This record gives sequence, C-alpha cells and structure tokens, in this order.
Amino acid sequence: DSGVTQTPKHLITATGQRVTLRCSPRSGDLSVYWYQQSLDQGLQFLIHYYNGEERAKGNILERFSAQQFPDLHSELNLSSLELGDSALYFCASSTNAGAANTGELFFGEGSRLTVL
Amino acid sequence: AQTVTQSQPEMSVQEAETVTLSCTYDTSESDYYLFWYKQPPSRQMILVIRQEAYKQQNATENRFSVNFQKAAKSFSLKISDSQLGDAAMYFCAYREIYGGATNKLIFGTGTLLAVQP
Repeated sequence: DSGVTQTPKHLITATGQRVTLRCSPRSGDLSVYWYQQSLDQGLQFLIHYYNGEERAKGNILERFSAQQFPDLHSELNLSSLELGDSALYFCASSTNAGAANTGELFFGEGSRLTVL
Repeated sequence: AQTVTQSQPEMSVQEAETVTLSCTYDTSESDYYLFWYKQPPSRQMILVIRQEAYKQQNATENRFSVNFQKAAKSFSLKISDSQLGDAAMYFCAYREIYGGATNKLIFGTGTLLAVQP
C-alpha cells in the first residue's frame, strides 16, 4: 500500500460527459502529480501541484483541469469526453522535505476511465 | 528537455535465468535520480530500484541490480534468478533533484518482460 488513494477505481461514461477523479496523497506529501496511461502506452505527465499551487503542466488538454485543495487532496476534471480519453489515470505524491526526500514518487492504484 | 529511451519493447527470459533491460537518458544536469518501476497486470506502479546520480556505486535490491554508466547516460536493470512473478512491464524513469518549478518523473516507453517456465 503506497498510501496514495484514488477514487473511483473504475468509471464508465459516455462521450461528451464530464467526470472528476480524486486523489488523496500520502500523509505529509505536498506534491501531487497526475499521469495518463493510454492502452499499451507509457505514462504521460499531465500536471503537478505543490501545496495548492500549480507548478507545471505537461500534455494536458484544455478540456482537462485540476486543482489541489487546502487539505492537499487533488481532483482531475475531464470534460467533453472523447473515446480517446479512455485511459488509466494515475495520481502520485512525493515529499520534497529534507532527509525524507528519496526522490521517489508514490503512486495510487489508478482510475480506469472508459468512454463509450 | 530530458528524455528517457527504452529500446527493447519486449524481452523474454527463462525462469531462474538472468535478463538485462536497457535504458538510456538525455540530460544536461549533473544531479538527478533514476528509477525502475514495475507494472504487473494489476497495473499498480511498483518501485523496483532507485539510483542517485552522485553515487558511483550501483544500487542493488535483492535480485535486482543496476549498471549505471553516468558518462554514457545508461541505466540498465539486471534481474537475476528470474521468477514468474517478475513478468511485468518495466519502466525506466528520470527525475531531477533540483527541478525548479517542478521535478516530475519522466518515463520511458517501457519493456514488457515475459518469464518462461
């Protein structure tokens, strides 16, 4: 158990709809990263939040948005869904704090989104 | 921009044998982390091994070891005494230590390892 919790684990929806994926980082971790893994593909970086502030954007579509709340949980919002958005969405957290910083990202189990 | 390349889309090894997965990366930084993550059919991302670039000694975790060649920007993973449970997708990943605004993990495209009984 990595300590990172993602909900829902599975989600099936239709094209044009909107969904929200939720992530609770490990206790004490201030950084949250979102990654997208399409079928048989590698992990593509979407966005990074640190203590509530957006730090970097990767290959994130304009139809997607994210935020990190004061309690450090994060949500990834996907709107106007298309068939190609079907993927596994991972959340990961890390600490940047001193000796506890091993550089490792701790991954949740992912949210599998299927768009029909 | 930093990139990570895994040139072997698929590999196969016999149970109890040794296999080496290749990874190269490109960076202008001198300090960084390198990782190997395992993704079994459950899709969970599991850290296998990590290496700090400033450490010359190659990391080892039980049956897993790396060959880190900093000048060549090469970071291969050796799995000894392969077991059926080692069958998975393996991702090589790079992360800056001092990443400025972000120090995200950059992944290679993965190597699918099959273990034959």
